[in-house]
Amino acid sequence: QTVVTQEPSFSVSPGGTVTLTCGLSFDSVSTSHYPTWCQQSPGQAPRTLVHTTNIRSSGVPDRFSGSILGNKAALTITGARADDESDYYCVLMIGDISLFGGGTRLTVL
Amino acid sequence: DVQLVESGGGLVKAGGSLRLSCAASGFTFNNAWMNWIRQAPGKGLEWVGRIKTKAEGETTYYAAVVKGRFTISRDDSQNTLYLQMHNLETEDTAVYYCVTVVDSSGYWGQGTLVSVSS
Repeated sequence: QTVVTQEPSFSVSPGGTVTLTCGLSFDSVSTSHYPTWCQQSPGQAPRTLVHTTNIRSSGVPDRFSGSILGNKAALTITGARADDESDYYCVLMIGDISLFGGGTRLTVL
Repeated sequence: DVQLVESGGGLVKAGGSLRLSCAASGFTFNNAWMNWIRQAPGKGLEWVGRIKTKAEGETTYYAAVVKGRFTISRDDSQNTLYLQMHNLETEDTAVYYCVTVVDSSGYWGQGTLVSVSS
C-alpha cells in the first residue's frame, strides 16, 4: 500500500529556516506527482500554500517555497515567524488518485 | 473573489445517506476540477475524490475507502458541486471541504461537519 511520508513534528527558531519533506513508500517523488503543500493553523480551515511542486497560491509570501530535493518533495520556510506554527500537509497525485501525508506539526520556538 | 461554501452536513445514523453541496462563485466553475477532502476530528486531511470538467466527461475518481458508497457530481448551471454519501459509517465522521485550484491558486471552503452515529 502506497504511503506518503512526512516528519511528524519539527521545530524552528524564530527567523530560522526549516525544510519539511514529503516522501513516497516504494518510489521517488517527482514533479509528475504534482506535490502540493497545505497549511492548517489551529482551529482554521486548511489553505493551499504551494501546488504543482513550486507554484505559490495568491497571497502566500515568498518565504514559502516548494521544490524537489533528492527523492522527496520539500517545503522550505525561511524567516520563520510565530504565526507559521501550524500543521503542514503534503498531497501527491498518484495516477488519478490523490494521497495526503500524515502532516508535520511545526513549532516555532 | 473565489468563494466555496459547503452545506448539507449534519447528524446521521450509520447506514444512512446524506448529500453535501458546495456553492462556488468568483471563477469559471465549469472549467475547474473540483475535489472533496475531509478531516476526521483530531486527525489529518484525507482526499475523498475529484470530478473533472464536463469537457472531460465529468470523470470522477475516489479514494478506496469511499468508492462505491460516495458519488461526486456537478451542476455547472448552478455552479454547485455535490457529494452524495450512502451507507455511511462512523469512520466517515469528519469535516468535509470542497477544494479547487483556480488561476494557479488553491482555494478551500470552510467545511461542513458530518457526524455519523452508531
